[in-house]
Amino acid sequence: NAGVTQTPKFQVLKTGQSMTLQCAQDMNHEYMSWYRQDPGMGLRLIHYSVGAGITDQGEVPNGYNVSRSTTEDFPLRLLSAAPSQTSVYFCASSYYGGGGTEAFFGQGTRLTVV
Amino acid sequence: GDSVTQMEGPVTLSEEAFLTINCTYTATGYPSLFWYVQYPGEGLQLLLKATKADDKGSNKGFEATYRKETTSFHLEKGSVQVSDSAVYFCALISPGGTSYGKLTFGQGTILTVHP
Repeated sequence: NAGVTQTPKFQVLKTGQSMTLQCAQDMNHEYMSWYRQDPGMGLRLIHYSVGAGITDQGEVPNGYNVSRSTTEDFPLRLLSAAPSQTSVYFCASSYYGGGGTEAFFGQGTRLTVV
Repeated sequence: GDSVTQMEGPVTLSEEAFLTINCTYTATGYPSLFWYVQYPGEGLQLLLKATKADDKGSNKGFEATYRKETTSFHLEKGSVQVSDSAVYFCALISPGGTSYGKLTFGQGTILTVHP
């Protein structure tokens, strides 16, 4: 079972460039989300989705777009990269069931914007 | 809104020392509580969880008890090892509706264990 797969693992962008961070899960989870990790600030929610076709903003959504056309995939788009978006990005998928809930994370994408 | 507060780090211990990392939370209702661990260069792994008051989560010698009356979920280990060196995150998910897609994290505590 692959779990949550993120690509790429590393990326360097120039200011103003655009790119898409890919995230795929094979656990048939309804819920998927994107976080960014910055030193001393923990992980902050960027966008999340509660199912195909449904997305919503998290705590720090500015500069990012998402879509959810399938249950498996939840790409994150940077429209015009800025140095403030230098961070480590994590995708997660989660479920709710009889035993409660749990989130599973990808390995992360380390993004540097120069 | 929901929030999680962890003790300030970094924490530096000698091998076999006792570990406590404090975590308190603010949330409506009865959230599910989690401790995640991040080893150097890796993603987050679930360490343990608790879904209702007085539940004790445990894994790899780590324990945490869900205390509703003090809104706390402190992480403890009786004897740490060098291999426990990592960043530890306390987190919660509030129940209901769309909230299962959203984890709220503490700022993380860096633990370094010396031989």
